Amino acid sequence: ILNVEQSPQSLHVQEGDSTNFTCSFPSSNFYALHWYRWETAKSPEALFVMTLNGDEKKKGRISATLNTKEGYSYLYIKGSQPEDSATYLCAFDTGTASKLTFGTGTRLQVTL
Amino acid sequence: NAGVTQTPKFQVLKTGQSMTLQCAQDMNHEYMSWYRQDPGMGLRLIHYSVGAGITDQGEVPNGYNVSRSTTEDFPLRLLSAAPSQTSVYFCASNSEGTFEAFFGQGTRLTVV
Repeated sequence: ILNVEQSPQSLHVQEGDSTNFTCSFPSSNFYALHWYRWETAKSPEALFVMTLNGDEKKKGRISATLNTKEGYSYLYIKGSQPEDSATYLCAFDTGTASKLTFGTGTRLQVTL
Repeated sequence: NAGVTQTPKFQVLKTGQSMTLQCAQDMNHEYMSWYRQDPGMGLRLIHYSVGAGITDQGEVPNGYNVSRSTTEDFPLRLLSAAPSQTSVYFCASNSEGTFEAFFGQGTRLTVV
């Protein structure tokens, strides 16, 4: 069983704060690292899929970096807004994207 | 824009009953998967399929059966429901050419 860990488990920030989360994963058998955003009562939606060491991806105020040699990825949110409130999941991919190993997620709450 | 459709959204079963959770996708994706989500745990893979007629076990397959007779459909069968199968179930699909997985809305199952 692969070990994918996310920290912190939960985070409560004020509107306008910038924040970041960590996902750590095995450094062997790496194929890709996925980030998903999961709002309550909805289905997880893909944010980024990263494949190369040193990859950096950006979508609006959200960005992510990847270090496959040391086995970690960071997700950054700049200027958090209440609509960013969600659980952020990372998933480790060994080559068949139907077999993802997920972390337990970081639950972000952004208040006014 | 149907994407991945799961039915039912909610279900209550008695211990020992059987049922099938339906999953259909209209994106012609080769890969489909079933995950379960339990409090404090990440999404855990139950079964997956890399194409019609091909299925395999994931991390937590016991008590569940699957089949993949068509590209579109990937039903999950509970043969004899147990309280330990109380969970939220997600179906996902993706294409060999793209990494990101597309999720259904989930089925919340309670076994009493």
